[in-house]
Amino acid sequence: EAQVTQNPRYLITVTGKKLTVTCSQNMNHEYMSWYRQDPGLGLRQIYYSMNVEVTDKGDVPEGYKVSRKEKRNFPLILESPSPNQTSLYFCASSRSSYEQYFGPGTRLTVT
Amino acid sequence: GENVEQHPSTLSVQEGDSAVIKCTYSDSASNYFPWYKQELGKGPQLIIDIRSNVGEKKDQRIAVTLNKTAKHFSLHITETQPEDSAVYFCAAPRNSGYSTLTFGKGTMLLVSP
Repeated sequence: EAQVTQNPRYLITVTGKKLTVTCSQNMNHEYMSWYRQDPGLGLRQIYYSMNVEVTDKGDVPEGYKVSRKEKRNFPLILESPSPNQTSLYFCASSRSSYEQYFGPGTRLTVT
Repeated sequence: GENVEQHPSTLSVQEGDSAVIKCTYSDSASNYFPWYKQELGKGPQLIIDIRSNVGEKKDQRIAVTLNKTAKHFSLHITETQPEDSAVYFCAAPRNSGYSTLTFGKGTMLLVSP
């Protein structure tokens, strides 16, 4: 089954404790993105990657890191999480046709 | 980069009525306009899209119209059903040539039986 998977689905952590949210797709897509969804703000892009070893900032990259060492994986790293990064995070992948396939989401709470 | 405005933010209709959600975009070079549906607890899913070489596209009860001159596009849902209740997002290409999107802020549609 073609899909995007994210782990964990739910995470509660404390300020400053480094965490990684994994994302994997099995569709051989070149493009992958991370978004955060907040009430009243919709979906905002954090980072995106056009291929292995090629990443670029989206609209809200501050406080986040990404890497793309393999085509199928695109982890999101929070080196020192803060409460304002409490949000619902989505990973997505696509080919050049723009249609994006979203993962199920990761709900992160930083206390 | 592209700026996408979406209205209304919430929309309540009775089952069987029609629903219309509107979006405007800023980059006249944009050529692809998708609509995503997000059900509770799930990620957004593409439901319909339109490219700039056509003015309207239909798929059963949903349709999208595009007015390139005015730089706006709309989602039309006819004969709404309770399962249409969800958050709907419009989007446009973030940058010319890249496969990433800028999304509107979303519309929560509630269809009452």
